[in-house]
Amino acid sequence: ETGVTQTPRHLVMGMTNKKSLKCEQHLGHNAMYWYKQSAKKPLELMFVYSLEERVENNSVPSRFSPECPNSSHLFLHLHTLQPEDSALYLCASSQVLEGRTEAFFGQGTRLTVV
Amino acid sequence: SQQGEEDPQALSIQEGENATMNCSYKTSINNLQWYRQNSGRGLVHLILIRSNEREKHSGRLRVTLDTSKKSSSLLITASRAADTASYFCAKSETSGSRLTFGEGTQLTVNP
Repeated sequence: ETGVTQTPRHLVMGMTNKKSLKCEQHLGHNAMYWYKQSAKKPLELMFVYSLEERVENNSVPSRFSPECPNSSHLFLHLHTLQPEDSALYLCASSQVLEGRTEAFFGQGTRLTVV
Repeated sequence: SQQGEEDPQALSIQEGENATMNCSYKTSINNLQWYRQNSGRGLVHLILIRSNEREKHSGRLRVTLDTSKKSSSLLITASRAADTASYFCAKSETSGSRLTFGEGTQLTVNP
C-alpha cells in the first residue's frame, strides 16, 4: 500500500444524512488533498492543506467541509449531499519540497448518494 | 486552467506491443508526472519529469517532455496484460503544491 489510508472504502448515504470521510497518512508529508473522481471527468481538486494552510477550490459546494486537525489526518465532512455528488473521493499526500510534488493516493471512498 | 488534452482516450493493443500515450498542457509547469489507476482504486505515481529534462526512463517506461510544444508522452514497451489500467498525466504548476490531472487514457492490453 501507499501509506495513505482512507476509510470507509464504500459509503451509501441519503441526502439528509451527515457523514465523514477519513484519511490518514503515515509518510510524514506536509500536504494533503481531497480529489473527486466522477465518471468520464478529470480528477477534480477539491481542497489542499499545505504547510498548515488551506486552499479551496471555489467551485466546491459548501455541503463539503474539510478538516485537517494535524499533518497526518484529513477529514471530509458531508451533509445534505445530492445524487450528483456520487463519485470516488480520493485523498492524497505529498511532501512539498523544491517543487517536487509526487502525490501518494489512498484507495478512495466510493460514495453513493441515494 | 492547466488542464490539457490526453490522447488517445482509449488504446487497445496486444501483449508485447508498445503503448504510447500523449499529454498536452497550456501554461508553464514545474514538472509533469504520470500516474496509473486500476479500476476503482487509487492512483499510483509512475514517473516525474522536470521542466528542464527532456527524457526519463524507469524500467519499461519512457517519458519525454517537449516544453516548446507543451506536450509529454509516456511509452510503455513490451506491454503486458497487467499493464491494463488508466494512465493520467498531472501537471505541477510553477509554484504551489497542487497537481492538475488530465482526463486519462484507458489502456487495454490483450493477452
